[in-house]
Amino acid sequence: NAGVTQTPKFQVLKTGQSMTLQCAQDMNHEYMSWYRQDPGMGLRLIHYSVGAGITDQGEVPNGYNVSRSTTEDFPLRLLSAAPSQTSVYFCASSTPSGDNEQFFGPGTRLTVL
Amino acid sequence: KQEVTQIPAALSVPEGENLVLNCSFTDSAIYNLQWFRQDPGKGLTSLLLIQSSQREQTSGRLNASLDKSSGRSTLYIAASQPGDSATYLCAVMDSSYKLIFGSGTRLLVRP
Repeated sequence: NAGVTQTPKFQVLKTGQSMTLQCAQDMNHEYMSWYRQDPGMGLRLIHYSVGAGITDQGEVPNGYNVSRSTTEDFPLRLLSAAPSQTSVYFCASSTPSGDNEQFFGPGTRLTVL
Repeated sequence: KQEVTQIPAALSVPEGENLVLNCSFTDSAIYNLQWFRQDPGKGLTSLLLIQSSQREQTSGRLNASLDKSSGRSTLYIAASQPGDSATYLCAVMDSSYKLIFGSGTRLLVRP
């Protein structure tokens, strides 16, 4: 199993540009989520999904969109990038049928100029 | 609203010391609690997961305890090594399966 994969690893955007961060998992996990990590802070939940076709907002959803058309993929869209969205983004997955241990991807480091 | 606090924010110890990292949370209605390790510029590695019905979990030199009623967890690292240097994150999963993280403890083990 590849686990949780994220692309790209690094990205630089200009203010106002849009882009999609990709996340995929091959563990057949129902739950997937996106977090951002800023310096000196823990991870904060952006959006999450409990299954294909179901998404919900986390703690810091503004400026981001998600969709979940398949179990495997959970892309995160930045609609109009702002410097405040400069951060490291992590995707995670888990399954409630086990102990709900969260597995994390390697992260995407995003800089918005 | 669930809040997770980790103390201390940073810790520097000589190699070989036993040490304790602390995590506290404000709402005892949790599903589980996880401890993660994060190396600089890297992702998160799960160390230990404690279900809400459990009191502790052990893996090698690591032992994590959970006291739900008091809203506390500790991560005990025995015989610390320079390779243990990293940031340690505590996270609680609430009843809607969302993870809430603390800000982490940055550990440096000096040779």
